[in-house]
Amino acid sequence: GDSVTQMEGPVTLSEEAFLTINCTYTATGYPSLFWYVQYPGEGLQLLLKATKADDKGSNKGFEATYRKETTSFHLEKGSVQVSDSAVYFCALNGRIGANSKLTFGKGITLSVRP
Amino acid sequence: EAGVTQSPTHLIKTRGQQATLRCSPISGHTSVYWYQQALGLGLQFLLWYDEGEERNRGNFPPRFSGRQFPNYSSELNVNALELEDSALYLCASSLFGGETDTQYFGPGTRLTVL
Repeated sequence: GDSVTQMEGPVTLSEEAFLTINCTYTATGYPSLFWYVQYPGEGLQLLLKATKADDKGSNKGFEATYRKETTSFHLEKGSVQVSDSAVYFCALNGRIGANSKLTFGKGITLSVRP
Repeated sequence: EAGVTQSPTHLIKTRGQQATLRCSPISGHTSVYWYQQALGLGLQFLLWYDEGEERNRGNFPPRFSGRQFPNYSSELNVNALELEDSALYLCASSLFGGETDTQYFGPGTRLTVL
């Protein structure tokens, strides 16, 4: 079945540091890929998405490129802020036929120090 | 535009009781999804409803059930509550349920089973 693997956390960075969060996937067919963010005590917010190979999703300074050859969708940001502290989830929707659903990675907690 | 809303915010029940959780999708969205976020288990897909019909179900026992109403709002019912049902239950909605379609999440209902 479909699966998403995220790098182990937590991750602690200083403000303005470069961020990379690794995400790889296994899916049958051609999934869409997503990054969601969860701030403390809240639900999930869509950060960015890509629906086909070589697409780049971007939002709020975050970027991720859909790499079919390496089955990866790594999240990057050039300069993190304290306000980026949250839990980040990589997810895929590999709908085949009628079975649409999101499969999530375990999530990784990012803490950014001033 | 209003986002996905869920009620109640918190729900406390005792083992063996029934819980009912409610979700209102974004206006114009016909698909509603339910996910469970339990400590240590991550985010797991529960149910998908579209146009009033159950379209897909995750690996959960039959005591987890739900329905979608003509106005596309949805209810999740959990019967015979067990301690391990304690979790954050997230509802999401999307326009048409396709794999490229984005799911937008509500703030969640925190269910505590004592």
